[in-house]
Amino acid sequence: QVQLKESGPGLVQPSETLSLTCTVSGFSLTSYSVSWVRQPSGKGPEWMGRMWYDGDTAYNSALKSRLSISRDTSKNQVFLKMNSLQTDDTGTYYCTRDQSILRIEELFDYWGQGVMVTVSS
Amino acid sequence: DIQLTQSPSSMSASLGDRVSLTCQSSQGIGNYLSWYQHKPGKPPKPMIYYATNLADGVPSRFSGSRSGSDYSLTISSLESEDTAIYYCLQYDEYPLTFGSGTKLEIK
Repeated sequence: QVQLKESGPGLVQPSETLSLTCTVSGFSLTSYSVSWVRQPSGKGPEWMGRMWYDGDTAYNSALKSRLSISRDTSKNQVFLKMNSLQTDDTGTYYCTRDQSILRIEELFDYWGQGVMVTVSS
Repeated sequence: DIQLTQSPSSMSASLGDRVSLTCQSSQGIGNYLSWYQHKPGKPPKPMIYYATNLADGVPSRFSGSRSGSDYSLTISSLESEDTAIYYCLQYDEYPLTFGSGTKLEIK
C-alpha cells in the first residue's frame, strides 16, 4: 500500500540547516509528484515545494532562497533542505503525494505522519 | 499570492445538523480548490478536489460547491467524527496556499 514517512532531526539550532527525508513505498517517484507541507503550531498549513514526477521542482517563493528539494529514485526518497532556520520555522513537516498529474484531479491523497521540528538553542 | 479567507473561524453544531463552511478566494481560481480535514495528531485527510469532487473513501454526506469566488464544504448531517479543523487549498497558481481553517465542534 501507499506509504510516506518523514525522518530527520527533531531539534535544530537557529541559523542551521534542516535536512528531512521522505521515504515512500507503494508507488514510484517517476509516476507521482511529492510535495512538502509544514504547519507551525496553532497555524494553518503552508505549502513549501514540490518534486515533480519528471524531476522538476517548484518552490514557494517565500522560501525559495532557503529551500532545496531533491530526490533519489533508486532509494524511493525525496529530500528537503532548508537553511538559515529561525524559531518561526518550528512546526510539523509533512510530505504528501499528488494523486494525479492532471490538474483537475490534483489532490494530496496520501500523507506521511509528519515530523515535529523545533528550532531552538 | 492568492489569499483564501475561511469563515467562520470556528463553529459548533449539533449532531444531525446541516453545516456549511466557506472559503473565499482573493482572485479567480476556477475550480482549482480542494478541502482537507485535520484532526489532532494526524495528517490532513483529503476530502474534496476540483471544488466539487469527493475524494476516495469520503462519506457522501460531504459535498463541495462553488459560487463565483466563494467555495463551500457542506456536511448534510453532522456526525461526531466530523469534529476537526477544515482547510481549503487553492492550486490554481504557485505558491499553493491554504486558508486559515474552520474549527468545527459538536455542541
